[in-house]
Amino acid sequence: AQRVTQVQPTGSSQWGEEVTLDCSYETSEYFYRIFWYRQLFSGEMVFLIYQPSFDTQNQRSGRYSVVFQKSFKSISLVISASQPEDSGTYFCALSGNYNQGKLIFGQGTKLSIKP
Amino acid sequence: DMKVTQMPRYLIKRMGENVLLECGQDMSHETMYWYRQDPGLGLQLIYISYDVDSNSEGDIPKGYRVSRKKREHFSLILDSAKTNQTSVYFCASSTGTYQDTQYFGPGTRLLVL
Repeated sequence: AQRVTQVQPTGSSQWGEEVTLDCSYETSEYFYRIFWYRQLFSGEMVFLIYQPSFDTQNQRSGRYSVVFQKSFKSISLVISASQPEDSGTYFCALSGNYNQGKLIFGQGTKLSIKP
Repeated sequence: DMKVTQMPRYLIKRMGENVLLECGQDMSHETMYWYRQDPGLGLQLIYISYDVDSNSEGDIPKGYRVSRKKREHFSLILDSAKTNQTSVYFCASSTGTYQDTQYFGPGTRLLVL
């Protein structure tokens, strides 16, 4: 069975601080990807970054990076120099080859960045 | 700019009425998806379309059907809507490869009274 868990339902940080959001997952596949999306208050889902399972290097995209611990089946999203505009709900999602290409989402973490 | 559009953005229907949700994309993506999101949950997959007239059920297809007659357009149909289909519906698209990034539309908020 495949499952994604985000145990932090909410989080907060001050403007300019680094924020870390955690995600754990279960899968029996060898090749998979973990995606991070942010849901804006309008409801729109915005793609942020992904980590392929076969890549040992942590991916980075602008102020977003991940800390990938494959052996523990966990991945964290790190947001550097957080800004109030980063507020929203962050979803971790798993995609593999044997599940029709669908994304399996976690429950999300609602992040608030205070000015 | 890669874009997925959804119409309408908001919809109120009465129980038993038919509902048509439309999705378009301008990226020539082969694969398109319909998800629904309910409060406190992530997104759940309703249907996948791998190309024109090539559709497959997702995890929660009951009560829904889909239509894809053009690559850029994917419709979700609720025949005789039920109150438990009140939700936010998202369309997404990706290239034909599994694990490729999915790009989401803005969502449609559907209320079934």
